Amino acid sequence: EIMLTQSPGTLSSSPGERVTLSCRANQSVSSNYLAWYQQRPGQAPRLLISGASSRATDIPDRFSGSGSGTDFTLTVSRLEPEDFAVYYCQQYSSAPITFGQGTRLEIK
Amino acid sequence: QVKLQESGPGLVKPSETLSLTCTVSGYSITSGYFWGWVRQPPGKGLQWIGSTFHSGSTNYNPALKSRVTFSVDTSRNQFSLRLTSVTAADTAVYYCVRVRGGRPLENWGQGTLVSVSS
Repeated sequence: EIMLTQSPGTLSSSPGERVTLSCRANQSVSSNYLAWYQQRPGQAPRLLISGASSRATDIPDRFSGSGSGTDFTLTVSRLEPEDFAVYYCQQYSSAPITFGQGTRLEIK
Repeated sequence: QVKLQESGPGLVKPSETLSLTCTVSGYSITSGYFWGWVRQPPGKGLQWIGSTFHSGSTNYNPALKSRVTFSVDTSRNQFSLRLTSVTAADTAVYYCVRVRGGRPLENWGQGTLVSVSS
């Protein structure tokens, strides 16, 4: 089973700032089958990024993903108020599908 | 546009069986895709439970495999989850999802909270 470790656990930032979230796997994620999701309180997760770097439909271009192998990042270039939420990475390259424990992005 | 909606009891007693159904609209579950479940304990992260194909083919998370069963009702365009011998640790929001090989989870239900308590 591929284990994903996200850091930091909580990130405090301000609107307009740039932030980078990390996701590290304990073994290589083949084909870069790594996704990022945003989850707001009381809502289901929403897909942001697939294939490590491809934005999903209707996702603003301030969200970008990068990385390969075991190290991946999600960058939000200019935080908007609605971006303060919890972010999860997920690998879908090997069974079982696994998720990171999440990074909470909070307003400073 | 596909929509998924979970339904089932919100409260289950310890040692009993949790049963949930996901109703799919806007897409026939026999047209392809796997159909799966993800859960999230209150205040915690996401856990993959597993998925099923309309033919009955399944894959389960090894952590839950001994207690989980999936089923499909193609006449109602529904699929279901049964989790036996539940404990408080099974208290969670349960999401149904549409699953495609080599793709992330693009379609989610809104989730339903199931509490395990006597």
